Amino acid sequence: KQEVTQIPAALSVPEGENLVLNCSFTDSAIYNLQWFRQDPGKGLTSLLLIQSSQREQTSGRLNASLDKSSGRSTLYIAASQPGDSATYLCAVNDRDDKIIFGKGTRLHILP
Amino acid sequence: GAVVSQHPSRVICKSGTSVKIECRSLDFQATTMFWYRQFPKQSLMLMATSNEGSKATYEQGVEKDKFLINHASLTLSTLTVTSAHPEDSSFYICSARGGAPYGYTFGSGTRLTVV
Repeated sequence: KQEVTQIPAALSVPEGENLVLNCSFTDSAIYNLQWFRQDPGKGLTSLLLIQSSQREQTSGRLNASLDKSSGRSTLYIAASQPGDSATYLCAVNDRDDKIIFGKGTRLHILP
Repeated sequence: GAVVSQHPSRVICKSGTSVKIECRSLDFQATTMFWYRQFPKQSLMLMATSNEGSKATYEQGVEKDKFLINHASLTLSTLTVTSAHPEDSSFYICSARGGAPYGYTFGSGTRLTVV
């Protein structure tokens, strides 16, 4: 059974710092991996999608990497801003074509 | 881009009543829709998968008689929480396959509070 783990559960960093969020999954047989942003009480905003054949994706200040063989992904946020404060979710599309989410990392950027 | 419209965004209901949540795909046809719920500080958990015109497939531990899912058309799926109880209070979100490059588009979610 696929399990997705995100570390850390919560993170507070000063504005301007670069940071890394981690995601691991137990079954490497995935179709893709996505990073989402969730603001309190809101829906999901897709940030980056990495197909199983890809190693990384970039969008603006965000860079996501995927090492499928080791079951790991990272989301790198450069030059963090207060507006980046949110919960970041990692999700894999597993071999059964279901999306399995991690519990998320609650990020707080300190002004 | 593809949009999935989910309503209502927030609902408060009394214990014992039923609540219906709608999920519509705009500008694309969604042959498959997924319903998730998220308890505080927990992952989004898949509740059920619905295919247009057929019965929904429920995940283990989800009561199909309590969470009624109807996917009568290619653009609309509904989730009805019947005889709601306070423990059903949660964040419910739908997803539709189709309309996006990767195949999944999410609704904006519904915060259900049962009092």
